[in-house]
Amino acid sequence: GQNIDQPTEMTATEGAIVQINCTYQTSGFNGLFWYQQHAGEAPTFLSYNVLDGLEEKGRFSSFLSRSKGYSYLLLKELQMKDSASYLCAVRDSRNNAGNMLTFGGGTRLMVKP
Amino acid sequence: DVKVTQSSRYLVKRTGEKVFLECVQDMDHENMFWYRQDPGLGLRLIYFSYDVKMKEKGDIPEGYSVSREKKERFSLILESASTNQTSMYLCASSPVGQGFKNIQYFGAGTRLSVL
Repeated sequence: GQNIDQPTEMTATEGAIVQINCTYQTSGFNGLFWYQQHAGEAPTFLSYNVLDGLEEKGRFSSFLSRSKGYSYLLLKELQMKDSASYLCAVRDSRNNAGNMLTFGGGTRLMVKP
Repeated sequence: DVKVTQSSRYLVKRTGEKVFLECVQDMDHENMFWYRQDPGLGLRLIYFSYDVKMKEKGDIPEGYSVSREKKERFSLILESASTNQTSMYLCASSPVGQGFKNIQYFGAGTRLSVL
């Protein structure tokens, strides 16, 4: 089975940097995804890590350590529109053709002026 | 852009009713998924399908069934709705074979209330 943990809520200030952590335990790791979900909207893909290290995409970066079962999403130069839930999801290898994901509970980020 | 469309944003049904939730994707994706999303529990996989007429159970299939008669359409069926099935239901689709990402694309969700 899989177990994915991330903080329930975080608050940060506009213009600052925030790091959202995700730890996981899985029987067969095959990639980690981060999604952003604004209230009442569909989750949208942010980043994907399958190898150790940092993936940078504009203001957002995602890091993975497979040996530690750990990832973080780093948001720089926070904007009010970054207020959303951030979902960590792990793909396992039990059915690669099916591309099944297991999601954490999500982290609700509130950006204040 | 990939578009995943769920037929209803809000639904109110009574206990014992048969409920159909419809999902259509326009990108010829092989895989389609149904999740439910509850506060504090995140998204949990109910069923997924990797081809027409093919389906596999996810983590919480009890009380649900699915149908995939055409590649673009994946239906979730609640045979006899119960109050504990009140939730937000999200449909997703993904391609296969595009390297190893196979990103899942989500619909906006259907908020179902069972009274």
